[in-house]
Amino acid sequence: AQSVTQLDSHVSVSEGTPVLLRCNYSSSYSPSLFWYVQHPNKGLQLLLKYTSAATLVKGINGFEAEFKKSETSFHLTKPSAHMSDAAEYFCVVSDLYNKIIFGKGTRLHILP
Amino acid sequence: DGGITQSPKYLFRKEGQNVTLSCEQNLNHDAMYWYRQDPGQGLRLIYYSQIVNDFQKGDIAEGYSVSREKKESFPLTVTSAQKNPTAFYLCASSMAGLNQPQHFGDGTRLSIL
Repeated sequence: AQSVTQLDSHVSVSEGTPVLLRCNYSSSYSPSLFWYVQHPNKGLQLLLKYTSAATLVKGINGFEAEFKKSETSFHLTKPSAHMSDAAEYFCVVSDLYNKIIFGKGTRLHILP
Repeated sequence: DGGITQSPKYLFRKEGQNVTLSCEQNLNHDAMYWYRQDPGQGLRLIYYSQIVNDFQKGDIAEGYSVSREKKESFPLTVTSAQKNPTAFYLCASSMAGLNQPQHFGDGTRLSIL
């Protein structure tokens, strides 16, 4: 069975400082992994996806994530936070049978 | 401009009443999905459809029903059998095939009067 764990329910960073949102997964097969962002009262928007090509994946709005098989992690990072990054972020795993599992989300707060 | 449209944005239901949430997409996607979102619980899959006239139950289908008569449309009915329907409902679509990213609508917030 596969699962995804977002290690922090809330993360607070100051504007201009780096962002790290942590995600660990469990999957019996080579998974595909995604990060989505959700602003209040909106749907989810795809930030980036990993599908067994390059392990460092670049996404929109300056975000990137690195797939580390040995650590079963897919952490999301951004070098410098902006106020507009304040939102909820979801890590998602999809397996060989197209079963999709969402993490419970991490709410990112940006301090001025 | 292609996308997914959910309507209404806010919906109120009386006890014992069925309500239907609309979801329309013009992305020409084969697959469509309904999720329920509650605070701190992430998204849970209610129903999904890979092709017209076919759909499958997700993890929390009890108290809900769907239809897929047209490729563009995947309405969700919240029946009176759903005892705790207050939630944010999200519709999504994707291309056919493995591991395709999903495109989401802006959701419908359902509340009980």
